[in-house]
Amino acid sequence: QITLKESGPTLVKPTQTLTLTCTFSGFSLSTSGVGVGWIRQPPGKALEWLALIYWDDDKRYSPSLKSRLTITKDTSKNQVVLTMTNMDPVDTATYYCAHSRASIYGDYPFDYWGQGTLVTVSS
Amino acid sequence: DIQMTQSPSSLSASVGDRVTITCRASQSISSYLNWYQQKPGKAPKLLIYAASSLQSGVPSRFSGSGSGTDFTLTISSLQPEDFATYYCQQSYSTNSFGQGTKLEIK
Repeated sequence: QITLKESGPTLVKPTQTLTLTCTFSGFSLSTSGVGVGWIRQPPGKALEWLALIYWDDDKRYSPSLKSRLTITKDTSKNQVVLTMTNMDPVDTATYYCAHSRASIYGDYPFDYWGQGTLVTVSS
Repeated sequence: DIQMTQSPSSLSASVGDRVTITCRASQSISSYLNWYQQKPGKAPKLLIYAASSLQSGVPSRFSGSGSGTDFTLTISSLQPEDFATYYCQQSYSTNSFGQGTKLEIK
């Protein structure tokens, strides 16, 4: 079965760079039509999509955060890494990674999610 | 950027009620619209993809409709486990989520 798990620091200081790793099993990111995305959720607030990487290494970013984000994949390790630079207290959130696969209709829903990891930005 | 607007932001209903949540896109997204349910402290769960396709394992009381810019999620007969927050998400151009609709018990 498909599982994903996020890992990384729980506390970062303002201006630091956050590096999060999504380690997954049950699928390969070299399979056509597959992607892994990152979504975050500040405490008590809505979901915010951050980035998505596809099997062919195509990458998409949230326009509002594009300058701060980098997403990469290591197919051999079954991992996807997200880096976010210049962290600020407003970036405090639970960060989720999620599996995405092209449906027969061509869209890419997030059908499997990790449990999420809470990252707090504070000095 | 495509903005997704859900209405209402919150909703009170009773077990057995029929409930409809609306999601509007700032431009046409064809049928690239997905719906998720999230309970406190848990990751979101996919309910509906491609506007109207029921995800495997999701009860048939959930249904979705719409295309272009206007979409709806309908729960035909609310069950106690349906009280949660619901989000729409477009995957037409990059991705974006709506602000959520909190469904509470009346």
